[in-house]
Amino acid sequence: AQSVAQPEDQVNVAEGNPLTVKCTYSVSGNPYLFWYVQYPNRGLQFLLKYITGDNLVKGSYGFEAEFNKSQTSFHLKKPSALVSDSALYFCAVRGFMDSNYQLIWGAGTKLIIKP
Amino acid sequence: EAGVAQSPRYKIIEKRQSVAFWCNPISGHATLYWYQQILGQGPKLLIQFQNNGVVDDSQLPKDRFSAERLKGVDSTLKIQPAKLEDSAVYLCASSLSGGRNTEAFFGQGTRLTVV
Repeated sequence: AQSVAQPEDQVNVAEGNPLTVKCTYSVSGNPYLFWYVQYPNRGLQFLLKYITGDNLVKGSYGFEAEFNKSQTSFHLKKPSALVSDSALYFCAVRGFMDSNYQLIWGAGTKLIIKP
Repeated sequence: EAGVAQSPRYKIIEKRQSVAFWCNPISGHATLYWYQQILGQGPKLLIQFQNNGVVDDSQLPKDRFSAERLKGVDSTLKIQPAKLEDSAVYLCASSLSGGRNTEAFFGQGTRLTVV
């Protein structure tokens, strides 16, 4: 079955420290992977995607993600966290379901950055 | 570039009443999605349009939910009659195409409360 797992419901990081939000996936064929962020009472905002090529993908707001094919992971990272990064983060993968390429979503990880 | 527009932002209705949501996608985007997001969960795809045709509505509760995308631009999602469990945020998103490598852009959502 095609799926996305975000193993941590919540991640707490001190401001200025590096952060990692984990994501693993299971999909048939080559994975097309995405990260989105959701601030309170807002829709989801696209951060970055991996299609092919360099395993390290750079995105918005200083975020990057590392694709690891052998571990089927696509972890989101940032070298130095800001309080304003506190939000809900979703990982998604395009999977072929019901004759269509759907976005399959993780359950989300709440990121809390403490001053 | 204008983003995805949704209205209303908030709606409170009694169970068994009907409600409609409106979405205007980003100009030129052929694919439009409606998602249901229950608090603390990832988005669940309700229906996907390619231009004005339905690509996937396998998770749409068709006995009470309906959606249309006339002329391949704006879309409306209707619930009739509403149930308590329909309380959620309804997100509209659009993408250039439904291809594997295309990201979706989301509106701010409509928060529906059924009492």
